[in-house]
Amino acid sequence: QVQLVQSGAEVKKPGASVKVSCKVSGHTLSELAMHWVRQAPEEGLEWMGGYDPEDGEITYAQKFQGRVTMNEDSSTDTAYLELSSLRSEDTAVYYCVTESCSSGNCCFDNWGQGTRVTVSS
Amino acid sequence: DIQMTQSPSSLSASVGDRVTISCRASQSINNYLHWYQQKPGTAPKLLIYAASSLQSGVPSRFSGSGSGTDFSLTISSLQAEDFATYYCQQSYSTVVTFGGGTKVESK
Repeated sequence: QVQLVQSGAEVKKPGASVKVSCKVSGHTLSELAMHWVRQAPEEGLEWMGGYDPEDGEITYAQKFQGRVTMNEDSSTDTAYLELSSLRSEDTAVYYCVTESCSSGNCCFDNWGQGTRVTVSS
Repeated sequence: DIQMTQSPSSLSASVGDRVTISCRASQSINNYLHWYQQKPGTAPKLLIYAASSLQSGVPSRFSGSGSGTDFSLTISSLQAEDFATYYCQQSYSTVVTFGGGTKVESK
């Protein structure tokens, strides 16, 4: 069973960057497709980007292009999300999620516990 | 991007009620539609994948149906632990999108 354990809460000032980690256990990260989803306070779920198995590349939501980086350290089975130029609207809980696919139909079957990021001056 | 519209945005129901939540896609997504349940302070949980397949461990009172643009999630007999917010999500496009959520509250 895949388990995802994320790093702790962060408080950042506007303009700063944040890096959130997601440690995988129960499976090898290289065999998983990792995505990131965020949720602002009292709001819905927003996909930020993730691994596209069709081309082997990471696809980012256009909204975050240029500000977001997703990468992985296979030696520690840890995935990372880095978001730069933070603004107050980036205050949210950030989730790492893994994707499971059947005949190309993919869903998010494992979620980390979430990392709260607060952006405030 | 494919827009996902859920209705209603909230509903009030009692234990034992039959509850149906709708999700409409802005274009056909075949059966690339999944449902999640989220309780306050916790991560979402996968309930239904590929429109109608029940995720392992999910009670059989949950069911999903639909194809193309119109989908629904039904709880046949609402239990106390089912009060939560439910989201649909499409994976037809590489750009994943979620519905706005439906909050199921106690009447």
